[in-house]
Amino acid sequence: GDSVTQTEGLVTLTEGLPVMLNCTYQTIYSNPFLFWYVQHLNESPRLLLKSFTDNKRTEHQGFHATLHKSSSSFHLQKSSAQLSDSALYYCALGSSGSWQLIFGSGTQLTVMP
Amino acid sequence: GALVYQYPRRTICKSGTSMRMECQAVGFQATSVAWYRQSPQKTFELIALSTVNSAIKYEQNFTQEKFPISHPNLSFSSMTVLNAYLEDRGLYLCGARAGGQNTLYFGAGTRLSVL
Repeated sequence: GDSVTQTEGLVTLTEGLPVMLNCTYQTIYSNPFLFWYVQHLNESPRLLLKSFTDNKRTEHQGFHATLHKSSSSFHLQKSSAQLSDSALYYCALGSSGSWQLIFGSGTQLTVMP
Repeated sequence: GALVYQYPRRTICKSGTSMRMECQAVGFQATSVAWYRQSPQKTFELIALSTVNSAIKYEQNFTQEKFPISHPNLSFSSMTVLNAYLEDRGLYLCGARAGGQNTLYFGAGTRLSVL
């Protein structure tokens, strides 16, 4: 069945350094939809980015990601981490065949001063 | 913009009792609603998918008898946790989407504690 893999459970880095959170997926559908949700402490997940188009970079609030169907990846990146970026980040997979979202296990990003 | 209100935000119930949570979509028509539970370990479990005028589809390990869901119109859905026990603790999230769209918008969540 469909699945999402986030290899890092915990990422800790210093403010100002680049961020890269990995996300790969498996799906039987040829047109996957990929999402990144961010969840701050004691809040609900909030949509950060989404992409339905292969090889097209999508950006929001300084974060960017590109869906690469060839490698089944949708890594989240940011050039310079800020303290306020500390949160849980979830990669999620949807498709036109089944609109339910399948979430990865999440990556806790902690940015230190 | 699309907003989803979920309430209550937090609830505590005694073991064996039931609690109901509600979800309201504002600014769009919630054709479909997905109910998730986020465990204390932060993983997401899909409980059920509900589409207006269609049968509600429950995932494995979740049943209508335990988590009855109502989705009577395009702006409202509710779910009840019947006979709650310790293993039912967690953050319950409703995610709503409009017809033809693929983005789920989440409510603030209902955090359930069971004593």
